[in-house]
Amino acid sequence: DVKVTQSSRYLVKRTGEKVFLECVQDMDHENMFWYRQDPGLGLRLIYFSYDVKMKEKGDIPEGYSVSREKKERFSLILESASTNQTSMYLCASSLSQGLAGYTFGSGTRLTVV
Amino acid sequence: AQTVTQSQPEMSVQEAETVTLSCTYDTSENNYYLFWYKQPPSRQMILVIRQEAYKQQNATENRFSVNFQKAAKSFSLKISDSQLGDTAMYFCAFMGNNAGNMLTFGGGTRLMVKP
Repeated sequence: DVKVTQSSRYLVKRTGEKVFLECVQDMDHENMFWYRQDPGLGLRLIYFSYDVKMKEKGDIPEGYSVSREKKERFSLILESASTNQTSMYLCASSLSQGLAGYTFGSGTRLTVV
Repeated sequence: AQTVTQSQPEMSVQEAETVTLSCTYDTSENNYYLFWYKQPPSRQMILVIRQEAYKQQNATENRFSVNFQKAAKSFSLKISDSQLGDTAMYFCAFMGNNAGNMLTFGGGTRLMVKP
């Protein structure tokens, strides 16, 4: 089975901290995605990557950056965490032809205090 | 930009009964894909069913089926013989052909199956 692993299930950080959320997939998928999930808003795309060192902004990239140095790893970076970034963060991966849909990680619930 | 709307924030159904979750979307594309995902309390998103827009036949996966109305831009999910394990958040999602394989999600419907 394809696995997408997110490094932390729960995380509490202080305002202004630099935060790294890590995501690793083990099935050689080309595409990787970071979403945030908020009640009533569903999942909103922050950034995605379709190849190593490639990245594209999604719908809500402000306050975030990403890194993809290796095909299997896609990191989300909060440069200076703020309370409005308290949310559930979901990582996903897919083949270049996306009809098979995404495989998701279990999510990281981030609280910024 | 595409939008996906789920008009039912919460629903409940008795075990063994049938429930239908609504989803509408807005797009100018002719070829696209639609998905329903389930997110149980464990938070693991699971693909339930998918539909290709150029296929007129509605997709079916065991107790899950869709009613795809392309002209109306509607994609509802029917769950038959509801089970307690169907309790979850359900998300409708859209993928266009030229969208870089990005999924656009609706706001979700929280389904509670009651014993």
